[in-house]
Formats: sequence, C-alpha cells, structure tokens
Amino acid sequence: QVQLQESGPGLVKPSETLSLTCNVSGGSISSRSYYWGWIRQPPGKGLEWIGSIYYSGTTYSNPSLKSRLIISVDTSKNLFSLKLSSVTAADTAVYYCARQRSYTGYDFDYWGQGTLVAVSS
Amino acid sequence: QSVLTQPPSASGTPGQRVTISCSGSSSNIGNNVVNWYQQFPGTAPRLLIHNDNQRPSGVPDRFSGSESGTSASLAISGLQSEDEADYYCAAWDDSLNGAVFGGGTQLTVL
Repeated sequence: QVQLQESGPGLVKPSETLSLTCNVSGGSISSRSYYWGWIRQPPGKGLEWIGSIYYSGTTYSNPSLKSRLIISVDTSKNLFSLKLSSVTAADTAVYYCARQRSYTGYDFDYWGQGTLVAVSS
Repeated sequence: QSVLTQPPSASGTPGQRVTISCSGSSSNIGNNVVNWYQQFPGTAPRLLIHNDNQRPSGVPDRFSGSESGTSASLAISGLQSEDEADYYCAAWDDSLNGAVFGGGTQLTVL
C-alpha cells in the first residue's frame, strides 16, 4: 500500500519561500507508471493543481504558479519536494502530495493527509 | 475561477438518484478522460471515478460516471447519508498542459 506524507513548516512569512517535502513509502518513486503531484486547497475553497514531476525530473506546472515554483525529486530518498517563492496570504492552503497515474488519464489515486501552511507575519 | 464548471451545491433525499454535472472544453473533457474525487471535511480527497466511468476497488457501484462531448456527469443512486461530501471533477488540459479541477459540488443529503 503506497503512503505519502507531507512535511514542512506550518507558518511562512510573506515574501519568503514555502518549502514542503513528500515522503513516499510502500512503492518506488522511480516507477515509470507514475508522476508525483502537488495540489493545494485554500480554506473553504476548491482544489488547485500546483504541478507534477516524473522520476526523471520532468515537470509540469500550473501556469499561474510557474514563475514562483520549483518541484524536484530525490529518487535515492524516495521523496519529492515543492518550493514556492514570494508567498502571499493567497498561498495559505492545505497542501497535498499525491501519486498521479500516467496510464489512466493522469488521475491522483493516492494522497497524503495534507498539511496546512499559513502565510502570515 | 475554475477551468471546469460544476454547480456549487446539490441535494437529495435518501434512496434518491442525484447527478452532478461538470462542464469543460475541447482542450480538457473533450479530448481527455474525466476523473471524480470525493472529499469529506478535514480529509484528503479520494479517487471515486477514473477514466470517465471506472470505479477503483472499494467504491460502491452506486457511483457512476459518464461523459459526452465537453461535459461529464457523476451519478449517485440509492443516496445514503454517508454520501454527504464535496465532489470534484478533474481532467488533463492539453492547452494548459496540466491537470484542472472543477470548483467542487457540496452534496447535502436531506
């Protein structure tokens, strides 16, 4: 059973960089069948895809966030990471990491529990 | 504003059949499969339907999905109180080269 777990600071100051890591267990992040994605959900609002990465390092990013976003993968540690720079209060959200299947229409079949990140001084 | 359009709310009584619509365009639903997610308050979304109409293991057959042109629908038959949740449609968008979600539909079981 694949499990994903997000980790990182729960509070980030405006203009600083939000950094999160997703540890994957129960399966290899180097599998050719999957991408690994980040999705966020502002309080009381809907889901927003942030971006996804393949084990090779190929990334896809939401155009609205692309200029501030870096997604990376560490296959030796079976984890992937998110860095979002120049954050504002609008970046306050629950951040989820998830496994994305490339062979079934890019659905997200396994999700982490999510971590709330607040942007505030 | 979400790329995929869903009604913000839906409701039904126990035992009833309810449908939730999801409208998109030729760059997403019109050219790619639709996935549906169910989310309870305070929890992560759960994949409910993939590939337009396929149920992952463990999802009751009361849930079904369909797609036609640039729209898709999620149907829940024999509505139960435990179906009260938020439902999201999603698809890959070829123009954005990324995943897009609907704004979500809050389902209330009366």
